Amino acid sequence: EVQLSESGGGLVQPGGSLRLSCEASGFMFANYAMSWVRQAPGKGLEWVSVGFGSGTSSSALYADSVKGRFTVSRDNSKNTLYLQMDRLRAEDTAIYYCAKNHCSGGTCYIFDNWGQGTLVTVSS
Amino acid sequence: SYVLTQPPSVSLAPGQTTSLTCGGNNIGSKYVHWYQQKPGQAPVLVVYTNSDRPSGVPERFSGSNSGNTATLTISRVEAGDEADYYCQVWDTDSGHVVFGGGTKLTVL
Repeated sequence: EVQLSESGGGLVQPGGSLRLSCEASGFMFANYAMSWVRQAPGKGLEWVSVGFGSGTSSSALYADSVKGRFTVSRDNSKNTLYLQMDRLRAEDTAIYYCAKNHCSGGTCYIFDNWGQGTLVTVSS
Repeated sequence: SYVLTQPPSVSLAPGQTTSLTCGGNNIGSKYVHWYQQKPGQAPVLVVYTNSDRPSGVPERFSGSNSGNTATLTISRVEAGDEADYYCQVWDTDSGHVVFGGGTKLTVL
């Protein structure tokens, strides 16, 4: 059974930093792209980032709203996905979900399993 | 950037059939995926690549996609189907995942 468990959320001041973690189990983590999706209170879903294979930098894509401030990385030896969030803004307040990417029909941007999410609140 | 448009809300009685729409420019050329999110819970994939169902999702859920509209059809709606439903695509032009704004389904 696929399980995803996020942690690291909390209250942070504007301009601050936070690192989220997503621990995965039940599948070959290294073989799958993994994504972060967020949901502001009372709002819809917003894709944040996807991390491919291993490492950081070129192995990732980002939404325009977080590009240059957020960095996704992964440690395949620990089956863990990370999201380093810097220069946080009030509008980054949201529940952050990690999700496993599924490939079908030539696309790999299908989210077939989700964690329960971790709440990030950016406020002074 | 690519925009997906969903009606904010839909209401119907148990046993009825509903078609939730997701509009986008030439969306028929893209693969559309649908998620169900119940209050306080994480989203769940219910239809992917337009019309495929993950294992465990009832056959009452079906999808289609053509032209400028994708549709999630829920037959014989039950109280347990009450949730927010989101459509999603991959936009190759921007290299971004795009979600629709979501439709709140209320079962009267």
